[in-house]
Amino acid sequence: GDSVTQMEGPVTLSEEAFLTINCTYTATGYPSLFWYVQYPGEGLQLLLKATKADDKGSNKGFEATYRKETTSFHLEKGSVQVSDSAVYFCALSASTYSGNTPLVFGKGTRLSVIA
Amino acid sequence: NAGVTQTPKFQVLKTGQSMTLQCAQDMNHNSMYWYRQDPGMGLRLIYYSASEGTTDKGEVPNGYNVSRLNKREFSLRLESAAPSQTSVYFCASSEDQGRRTDTQYFGPGTRLTVL
Repeated sequence: GDSVTQMEGPVTLSEEAFLTINCTYTATGYPSLFWYVQYPGEGLQLLLKATKADDKGSNKGFEATYRKETTSFHLEKGSVQVSDSAVYFCALSASTYSGNTPLVFGKGTRLSVIA
Repeated sequence: NAGVTQTPKFQVLKTGQSMTLQCAQDMNHNSMYWYRQDPGMGLRLIYYSASEGTTDKGEVPNGYNVSRLNKREFSLRLESAAPSQTSVYFCASSEDQGRRTDTQYFGPGTRLTVL
């Protein structure tokens, strides 16, 4: 079945450091790929997405490129801030059983940024 | 525009008690979902509803029932709570059942503890 594997955390970085969170996937067909972020005590919110190969999603300084050849969707940011501290989830949507498109999530990566 | 709302925010139950988690969305979305979030497990789909009047099982449906009351509301019921159902529960909605590109919008979550 469809699955998402992302790097385990926690990840601790100093402010202004470069961030990479790895994500690889297994899916039938042509999935859409997402990064969701969960700030402390809140629900998940979409950070960025890409719906076809070679697409780049970007938002708030974060970027991720849909690489079909390596089945990857790594999240990057050039200079992290304390306010980026959160849990980041990689997810995909591919299966359409019963006409729906449920998300399959990775286990999440906790990022802590220290000043 | 409140988005996705969930009640209650916190709940403590004893083993064998029942309760219903409520979810409502005001975005006129067709599809709604219930997930549970456990440490180190990411989010797992319990049930979903592609449209008003339909519901389907997700990855972990055992011990739960759902009702799509109308287009806005989707409730999750635990008939006889067990400690293994201690978790954080998230409701989500998306616009169109058939599009794998759709963003899901999440509520703030319900933290449930079963003693």
